[in-house]
Amino acid sequence: DIQMTQSPSSLSASVGDRVTITCRASQDISNFLAWYQQKPGKVPKVLIYTASTLQSGVPSRFSGSGSGTDFSLTISSLQPEDVATYYCQKYNSDPRTFGQGTKVEI
Amino acid sequence: EVQLVESGGGLVQPGGSLRLSCAASGFTFSNFWMTWVRQAPGEGLEWVANINLDGSERSYLDSVKGRFTISRDNAKNSLYLHMSSLRAVDSAVYHCAIGWGWYEHWGQGTRVTVSS
Repeated sequence: DIQMTQSPSSLSASVGDRVTITCRASQDISNFLAWYQQKPGKVPKVLIYTASTLQSGVPSRFSGSGSGTDFSLTISSLQPEDVATYYCQKYNSDPRTFGQGTKVEI
Repeated sequence: EVQLVESGGGLVQPGGSLRLSCAASGFTFSNFWMTWVRQAPGEGLEWVANINLDGSERSYLDSVKGRFTISRDNAKNSLYLHMSSLRAVDSAVYHCAIGWGWYEHWGQGTRVTVSS
């Protein structure tokens, strides 16, 4: 099975900082990658799909890039409401594995 | 408005069985793949199983193969997960979600606790 590895596992940044989370697949998954945001006590919310397509309604400070095995999620200017855990997920094949998550704090 | 409402969770002894249900509304259920995702307390998201439009294709996480069965009833707009030979490591909140690739809509989940 393809493994998804996120880094870092947690980070602390200041309001207004540019934050980048990376996700590496153990095999080529083309652009079959999504990013989710999960706030405490809430269900996950999709931010990005097909590696770089912004989900409707998601603020433009979120962006995704990458293809093949290396991907990234960038928050251009971190806001207090962005405190959450972020997950990548591959969906080119089953199992549709999630990364282990990156906890973002301020 | 899309709604997914899970039910059927609870406390079960190791080796026991449960059937989870997910009642769907607000969209044409028979037009969408459906998925179960679980999250153990304090842990990350784990994809469990998915099922195609008519139930003819099903896929499972390796660790649940042979123990869990995903099914659907399009006439009742319902998704199911039958779980047997349950283990402590299966304890989690189980969410149903819509979609083949990424998941735009999720239910709030139903909690399964496997403990003696």
